[in-house]
Amino acid sequence: GAVVSQHPSWVICKSGTSVKIECRSLDFQATTMFWYRQFPKQSLMLMATSNEGSKATYEQGVEKDKFLINHASLTLSTLTVTSAHPEDSSFYICSANSANTGELFFGEGSRLTVL
Amino acid sequence: GDSVTQMEGPVTLSEEAFLTINCTYTATGYPSLFWYVQYPGEGLQLLLKATKADDKGSNKGFEATYRKETTSFHLEKGSVQVSDSAVYFCALYRGTNAGKSTFGDGTTLTVKP
Repeated sequence: GAVVSQHPSWVICKSGTSVKIECRSLDFQATTMFWYRQFPKQSLMLMATSNEGSKATYEQGVEKDKFLINHASLTLSTLTVTSAHPEDSSFYICSANSANTGELFFGEGSRLTVL
Repeated sequence: GDSVTQMEGPVTLSEEAFLTINCTYTATGYPSLFWYVQYPGEGLQLLLKATKADDKGSNKGFEATYRKETTSFHLEKGSVQVSDSAVYFCALYRGTNAGKSTFGDGTTLTVKP
């Protein structure tokens, strides 16, 4: 199957700093990628849809200025958590749909801890 | 709107026990249905899928049948192993919701030796 890779796998940062997480589709082109946040009780929350060459579409309640998404190429989307605070600590996961079949290919996830 | 309801967990079973995780959905039209599995500390990966009514998806001993009459896609395995311990997500995709999938809340399975 298609491969999606996330980096970094984990990151620890100080409160107030910004952190960038990358999501790459390694063997296919992804015009659309999705970013999720997973809470300790396991549910997945869709944060936004990342669209290549255009602005991301954010879900209701997600702060656009807080979670900056850029999808500059067909193989790379980035999520930047700006001015991170401890409440932003979470597991962030990206995914891509390779051929509009509905099947999603997920990255390994990125564990963010804000001190 | 679309929704997916999964059996609440956590589910704890002994090795070789029979597993059922219930999943029902609400959606217009004919969605594709998926089960994804998430092992500890990892992202999700596709376990199996079915794209039309009465299709049976299967993989690694797991099975699920797309039942349109009951709007269900229950996950089953005849004999679970410790290595099956993970979180299981049921999901649907209609192709008209801006490409987004709808996920259930996930069910944590723990298999004890």
